[in-house]
Amino acid sequence: DQQVKQNSPSLSVQEGRISILNCDYTNSMFDYFLWYKKYPAEGPTFLISISSIKDKNEDGRFTVFLNKSAKHLSLHIVPSQPGDSAVYFCAASAQGSQGNLIFGKGTKLSVKP
Amino acid sequence: KAGVTQTPRYLIKTRGQQVTLSCSPISGHRSVSWYQQTPGQGLQFLFEYFSETQRNKGNFPGRFSGRQFSNSRSEMNVSTLELGDSALYLCASSSGQGLDTQYFGPGTRLTVL
Repeated sequence: DQQVKQNSPSLSVQEGRISILNCDYTNSMFDYFLWYKKYPAEGPTFLISISSIKDKNEDGRFTVFLNKSAKHLSLHIVPSQPGDSAVYFCAASAQGSQGNLIFGKGTKLSVKP
Repeated sequence: KAGVTQTPRYLIKTRGQQVTLSCSPISGHRSVSWYQQTPGQGLQFLFEYFSETQRNKGNFPGRFSGRQFSNSRSEMNVSTLELGDSALYLCASSSGQGLDTQYFGPGTRLTVL
């Protein structure tokens, strides 16, 4: 059973607009959430994270929102750029199991010029 | 600071053989986690080593094993290779403490023929 779900396999956005990638989780023990960006045949690159005591974290064009009651988080990219085109993975870890990240299946973002 | 390095980048083996993959973490990081990425299963956690001890383990058969050395470098071994072991193997390093961000290496692409 998937503990971290990214229900949209793909998303297409126009350059300059907002990209919103969504992630749902089922395990209430998760206390740290991360977003990674990945190109084929490369390792994931860390983008941004959020702990369960916060509901928002910003870093430049990237903002992550966490809704604990809904067990939902989202990544907003504003403005979207063609270089943002990649697969985005949501990941979560639980206290006491920090070395074990549980990943969603990923969302492929295409930003069109 | 140098990033996580993995060697070799590519490997071709035949069924029944064994393979050893190597990972050098970011300087100062004491935790190394290993993941397998396949098209069907996505990114799955194999195990984590912290200060030379296996701290967490995923749901993989005993053919998959690992170890960590005193300098935090880690190796992963797969014995009696099967066709289904063909995958991208990723290692990630982190401090191993608190709310911890894992940083990934480029991966080793293993093909089993």
